Amino acid sequence: SAVISQKPSRDICQRGTSLTIQCQVDSQVTMMFWYRQQPGQSLTLIATANQGSEATYESGFVIDKFPISRPNLTFSTLTVSNMSPEDSSIYLCSVEGRLARGNEQFFGPGTRLTVL
Amino acid sequence: AQTVTQSQPEMSVQEAETVTLSCTYDTSENNYYLFWYKQPPSRQMILVIRQEAYKQQNATENRFSVNFQKAAKSFSLKISDSQLGDTAMYFCAFMKQGTGNQFYFGTGTSLTVIP
Repeated sequence: SAVISQKPSRDICQRGTSLTIQCQVDSQVTMMFWYRQQPGQSLTLIATANQGSEATYESGFVIDKFPISRPNLTFSTLTVSNMSPEDSSIYLCSVEGRLARGNEQFFGPGTRLTVL
Repeated sequence: AQTVTQSQPEMSVQEAETVTLSCTYDTSENNYYLFWYKQPPSRQMILVIRQEAYKQQNATENRFSVNFQKAAKSFSLKISDSQLGDTAMYFCAFMKQGTGNQFYFGTGTSLTVIP
């Protein structure tokens, strides 16, 4: 299984500022995913980040608001830009894992963001 | 589009008892995977159990087992001999095979194990 770390684990930010969340994996992976989990809600996929190509965004999410970098096979960043209180959420990164019994995703511990 | 429905927002069970969490999904696909993830208060998402749609046999992992009814598009999770550490949010998830591992999650069931 993959070990995934995220920085920061939590942050409190002012409206209008931006925050960059880092995701580090202990092994090389092709695909990384960024999810948002709003308070009391399920996980919603923001985008898929492949190394060497532009991230693919889901409906309702745009690159200007959530720019993503994927400089190598073990690292990715998600920036939450021009934040508003509605952006207060847990942001999780995940990676694919290919196992003989079937695919799964491994998740990072999440970053809890509060926007004032 | 795929949808995953968990109709039980909250459930509770006495320690050592058995509880079943419901999940239904909607898809026109034939090849896919189903998962149950656990998210304790620490927020770490942990895979509990997975099921390949082509397998008729229900998956089991120690105290966790599923009842997979492909025709009914139902995928319930049974937790036997519930333990206090089972207290968590449980998410049912669907993944279509060959889509780049895009997951669709249900809204979750908050399970509380009562001592």
